[in-house]
Amino acid sequence: QSALTQPASVSGSPGQSITISCTGTTSDVGAYNYVSWYQQHPGRAPKLMICDVNSRPSGVSNRFSGSKSGNTASLTISGLQAEDEGDYYCSSYTTRSTWVFGGGTKLTVL
Amino acid sequence: QVHLVESGGGVVQPGRSLRLSCAASGFTFSSYAMHWARQAPDKGLEWVAFISYNGVTEYYADSVKGRFTISRDSSKLYLQMNSLRPEDTAVYYCGRNSGYHFDYWGQGILVTVSS
Repeated sequence: QSALTQPASVSGSPGQSITISCTGTTSDVGAYNYVSWYQQHPGRAPKLMICDVNSRPSGVSNRFSGSKSGNTASLTISGLQAEDEGDYYCSSYTTRSTWVFGGGTKLTVL
Repeated sequence: QVHLVESGGGVVQPGRSLRLSCAASGFTFSSYAMHWARQAPDKGLEWVAFISYNGVTEYYADSVKGRFTISRDSSKLYLQMNSLRPEDTAVYYCGRNSGYHFDYWGQGILVTVSS
């Protein structure tokens, strides 16, 4: 159960857009449309931002969007705001009926 | 509103056991599958275990299989952790399952395995 691959860090200026990638295999990301994304601020619990590749839960800003192509999923944040700074994790359901997380990406808003 | 509160963490010696609890409120607990996940200090999230809404089906990460057991009763989720190792040191989170993702998380509880 290897972790999904995410960039360690990304950064952007307020108002800009950034994209975080999440690469897995045909046994996880590529197998199903069950990729989710979580935001985590220091010392806090994760918060669901995107589920099922591109669905936004109620209350999550429409500045957050998700997509997938093959074995790679992506999270895009448009109109960056200071409050978006934090760690982001992708997750996927797998063909072994387990779940796997990505290694996490630290987003810095410059 | 959905509320998940973990308890039972602490410092434990390698090889010993510990049981975590997660108290659920604000929703019909018996209708939802649940998860445990963990986060080692300054590391990423790791999925640990899943239990179906009725407790019949369980799945585990390879790293804990055979040592950890997830269970539930009418209002609480549990994680029995045996043969603990230093690498099990982490903040442990319970999470509610919705579809194939966590839709709510507890605040987490720290488990430290050290002699």
